[in-house]
Amino acid sequence: SQKIEQNSEALNIQEGKTATLTCNYTNYSPAYLQWYRQDPGRGPVFLLLIRENEKEKRKERLKVTFDTTLKQSLFHITASQPADSATYLCALDFSSASKIIFGSGTRLSIRP
Amino acid sequence: DTEVTQTPKHLVMGMTNKKSLKCEQHMGHRAMYWYKQKAKKPPELMFVYSYEKLSINESVPSRFSPECPNSSLLNLHLHALQPEDSALYLCASSQDLYPGDTGELFFGEGSRLTVL
Repeated sequence: SQKIEQNSEALNIQEGKTATLTCNYTNYSPAYLQWYRQDPGRGPVFLLLIRENEKEKRKERLKVTFDTTLKQSLFHITASQPADSATYLCALDFSSASKIIFGSGTRLSIRP
Repeated sequence: DTEVTQTPKHLVMGMTNKKSLKCEQHMGHRAMYWYKQKAKKPPELMFVYSYEKLSINESVPSRFSPECPNSSLLNLHLHALQPEDSALYLCASSQDLYPGDTGELFFGEGSRLTVL
């Protein structure tokens, strides 16, 4: 069956450093992959979408890569700030019928 | 501010009660979703409506009954729930331009459900 795994349940880094989160998937070849941010008690907020024919995408301090051979996406936050502390979720559409499934999430904490 | 509105924000119900969660969006999106989220877990897909028709039911127990009265509204009817059904219920919508290209999900803030 299809699986999405985010390797780190929690990640703690120093302010100013680059945070790198990993999303791996198996048994599927998605047309695109998405990343979301979720703060406690709130709904997820969309950050970035990367398509299978795109190797890298950037938005301000965020960068996403997509390696369809390794079946892996990396999500980077450069010059991290305490306000970046949140849970980050990757998501895949596992069908052509909007079956969007989320990975387990990584709780990122940026310490001052 | 989210453009997907969910009501109520909080709901406490007994196991014999019947209640409903409501979701509304006015972005012209054609796909709407219900997700269930337990503490420290990712959102878990329950139902997907595409063009007002139920397209995905992830083997959800019949005590949860979705309804899509029109393209802007999505309801989740609750009946005879169990305490383990207590969770944050999230509604989302997407453009769903064509099969295989759903686009980003816009989430509401969720309805926090407690079943006693």
